[in-house]
Amino acid sequence: QSVLTQPPSVSGAPGQRVTISCTGSSSNIGAGYDVHWYQQLPGTAPKVLIHGNSNRPSGVPDRFSGSKSGTSASLAITGLQAEDEADYYCQSYDSSHVVFGGGTKLTVL
Amino acid sequence: QVQLQESGPGLLKPSETLSLTCTVSGGSISRYYWSWIRQPPGKRLEWIGSIYYIGSTNYNPSLKSRVTISVDTSKNQFSLKLISVTAADTAVYYCARSGLNAFDAFDIWGQGTMVTVSS
Repeated sequence: QSVLTQPPSVSGAPGQRVTISCTGSSSNIGAGYDVHWYQQLPGTAPKVLIHGNSNRPSGVPDRFSGSKSGTSASLAITGLQAEDEADYYCQSYDSSHVVFGGGTKLTVL
Repeated sequence: QVQLQESGPGLLKPSETLSLTCTVSGGSISRYYWSWIRQPPGKRLEWIGSIYYIGSTNYNPSLKSRVTISVDTSKNQFSLKLISVTAADTAVYYCARSGLNAFDAFDIWGQGTMVTVSS
């Protein structure tokens, strides 16, 4: 059972917008810790998509955006593309220990 | 650019000790935080622990009694030891780099190495 809760799966058609939520508590996200998001394509290592709640590393398309409010965070993907089909993980901290969400499988219909 | 490569045995028997090394190439191990993260087949990512280049560590409370992470700056490597392994420790093990601060994202990952625990 993960400290950070994500929906197991989301789906959308090409071109649509989807959001993935990451719900925590007052001891992690609500305590002010940053939230980071990772994309994991099948059989590969995770790759950072969003760091520090809403910052995109260079090379990540602006179709990906992150936000944080209270004890939750969200990852939004606009203009959905087939190549976005992957697992997505949120990550934060709880009492200074790293915690990951359970992961969300994005299916592009 | 900086690259990470995990190395170590891929098959262990229950009760043995898992030992993995992560070699950092293309950059220095100094001034950064380094971590081990694992992923059982079909399951979520699990943080094992982190080490700062000067040797201070932070471990997952659920694994702390069995884990040791160390760093060798002369070899640009850091290592993981997990004692008394069971089938539940079967996973892909990744090494990863955080930034200059403890709460930075994991910006560079190794390709991962599969470790299977089986009698």
